[in-house]
Amino acid sequence: KQEVTQIPAALSVPEGENLVLNCSFTDSAIYNLQWFRQDPGKGLTSLLLIQSSQREQTSGRLNASLDKSSGRSTLYIAASQPGDSATYLCAVTHTGTASKLTFGTGTRLQVTL
Amino acid sequence: EAQVTQNPRYLITVTGKKLTVTCSQNMNHEYMSWYRQDPGLGLRQIYYSMNVEVTDKGDVPEGYKVSRKEKRNFPLILESPSPNQTSLYFCASSFEGVTYNEQFFGPGTRLTVL
Repeated sequence: KQEVTQIPAALSVPEGENLVLNCSFTDSAIYNLQWFRQDPGKGLTSLLLIQSSQREQTSGRLNASLDKSSGRSTLYIAASQPGDSATYLCAVTHTGTASKLTFGTGTRLQVTL
Repeated sequence: EAQVTQNPRYLITVTGKKLTVTCSQNMNHEYMSWYRQDPGLGLRQIYYSMNVEVTDKGDVPEGYKVSRKEKRNFPLILESPSPNQTSLYFCASSFEGVTYNEQFFGPGTRLTVL
């Protein structure tokens, strides 16, 4: 059974810092990995989608990497801003259950002034 | 604007009173799905639909029903809600399944069953 873990569960950093969020999964047989942002009272916003054949994806200040063989992904946020404060979720599509996403429980990020 | 909408956004009800949470997408997506989110358990899939008239169970389907009569709509039905169905519910859609496609999520419906 695929399990997805995100550590740490919560993180607080001062504005301007570069930071890395971690996501690990137990089974490397995946189609893709997707990073989401969840704001309180709002839905999930897709940030980056990495296919299993890719090593990384970039969007603005965000860069996500994927090391499928080791079961790891990182989300790098450059020059963090208070507006980046949210919960970040990663999710994988496992080849054995290709009808759903398997989610981690998220990292709650707070960027302080 | 391309989006997934859910209604209602907030609902408080009592045990046993049938309710429906609607989900609609305007992106002509074939795949739609329902998840529930609970503290410490993350998001878990309830039901999914690969296309019109094609639905299947996810990980936690007990106590829920769905239908997919039109491509754009995928309502979630709780025929006899119970307090353990108190949760935050999300509808999601994508062009074709989850294998290669980005998933788009609705804003969520917070349900409280007393």
